[in-house]
Amino acid sequence: AQSVTQPDIHITVSEGASLELRCNYSYGATPYLFWYVQSPGQGLQLLLKYFSGDTLVQGIKGFEAEFKRSQSSFNLRKPSVHWSDAAEYFCAVAAGGSNYQLIWGAGTKLIIKP
Amino acid sequence: GAVVSQHPSWVICKSGTSVKIECRSLDFQATTMFWYRQFPKQSLMLMATSNEGSKATYEQGVEKDKFLINHASLTLSTLTVTSAHPEDSSFYICSARDLAGRYEQYFGPGTRLTVT
Repeated sequence: AQSVTQPDIHITVSEGASLELRCNYSYGATPYLFWYVQSPGQGLQLLLKYFSGDTLVQGIKGFEAEFKRSQSSFNLRKPSVHWSDAAEYFCAVAAGGSNYQLIWGAGTKLIIKP
Repeated sequence: GAVVSQHPSWVICKSGTSVKIECRSLDFQATTMFWYRQFPKQSLMLMATSNEGSKATYEQGVEKDKFLINHASLTLSTLTVTSAHPEDSSFYICSARDLAGRYEQYFGPGTRLTVT
């Protein structure tokens, strides 16, 4: 069965430090992968997506993610975090089928230390 | 582009009453809309998937008679929580997928429902 694992429930990073949020997926076919961010009390915003091609994808707000098929991973990175990056981050994979439902990870809460 | 709105953004209702939440795609036509429920500090739980003009497909464990979904047009889907109880209090989020068949979903801002 398809699944997405975000092993870190929360991560604390100092402002200006680099960030990596982990995501592992289990999916039999070529995955369509997404990272979304949810700020407190807000809806979800798409940061970036991977469908095919270059395995390093660039997103909004300075985020990037690298698809590694051999490791079934799609980790999110940012070289220097800002206080405004504090939020909940969700990794998801499109499950296929006619509706392409998303299978969601549990989320990682990012806390920024001043 | 690809904006999805939800109305209301928050609602308080009394136990036993019904409440309707609207989800609209403002600048695109949505072949498919999804309804999610999110509990505090948790991930999204898919409740149902609706295609315009068809009956919604509910996920296992979701009561279709309690959570009525109507997808009457390519830009509007509604979720009605019938005979609401305090345990139905939650954050409800809709999303939409457009006609172009791309795989990403565009999310509404969510509706906070509190049942007293």
